[in-house]
Amino acid sequence: EADIYQTPRYLVIGTGKKITLECSQTMGHDKMYWYQQDPGMELHLIHYSYGVNSTEKGDLSSESTVSRIRTEHFPLTLESARPSHTSQYLCASSPPGQVTGELFFGEGSRLTVL
Amino acid sequence: RKEVEQDPGPFNVPEGATVAFNCTYSNSASQSFFWYRQDCRKEPKLLMSVYSSGNEDGRFTAQLNRASQYISLLIRDSKLSDSATYLCVVTNTNAGKSTFGDGTTLTVKP
Repeated sequence: EADIYQTPRYLVIGTGKKITLECSQTMGHDKMYWYQQDPGMELHLIHYSYGVNSTEKGDLSSESTVSRIRTEHFPLTLESARPSHTSQYLCASSPPGQVTGELFFGEGSRLTVL
Repeated sequence: RKEVEQDPGPFNVPEGATVAFNCTYSNSASQSFFWYRQDCRKEPKLLMSVYSSGNEDGRFTAQLNRASQYISLLIRDSKLSDSATYLCVVTNTNAGKSTFGDGTTLTVKP
């Protein structure tokens, strides 16, 4: 089992609230990622990080922001949640090295904005 | 055109059937290739890596054709528990980025 944890698993919140989705991994992985996935749809990369103090936007534009102050922690923040942000957010990490590429996923945070 | 394209599915097969999924990718700089499995409302989990020489894990066989930029997954003697969505993943390890296909859903019926 991968040691990558997301909290909360489920969150129902009103429009305009600020939320932070937490993601932590204990594997010492340098690369971390946030994906967004609507039910039955494909995964979209919204943010990634190659290490501490490194963050990049992914392929899908997102109003969320991320930070990487510690290797093991990669939180995602929405300053003002809207119903269009309702989705599942999946955090993943990948170990260092050129040959790899395998992603380890957390169980996801399912967000519903009313 | 999407960077990674998979058979649209869904595939509905009886138990014991052999089923094959195909995937093509457009970025020739891609270096690592994987098949992931995702159960309904769960996170994706690695099923197997894909190598040019082909690799087999029990009932599952994966193949990569770099010249044609094509990846396949063969499932033999399918079980009810194989029902899931299968995701083709292509990684540019230099860029540290993975691109997922849309997934192909398999339902194995008794």
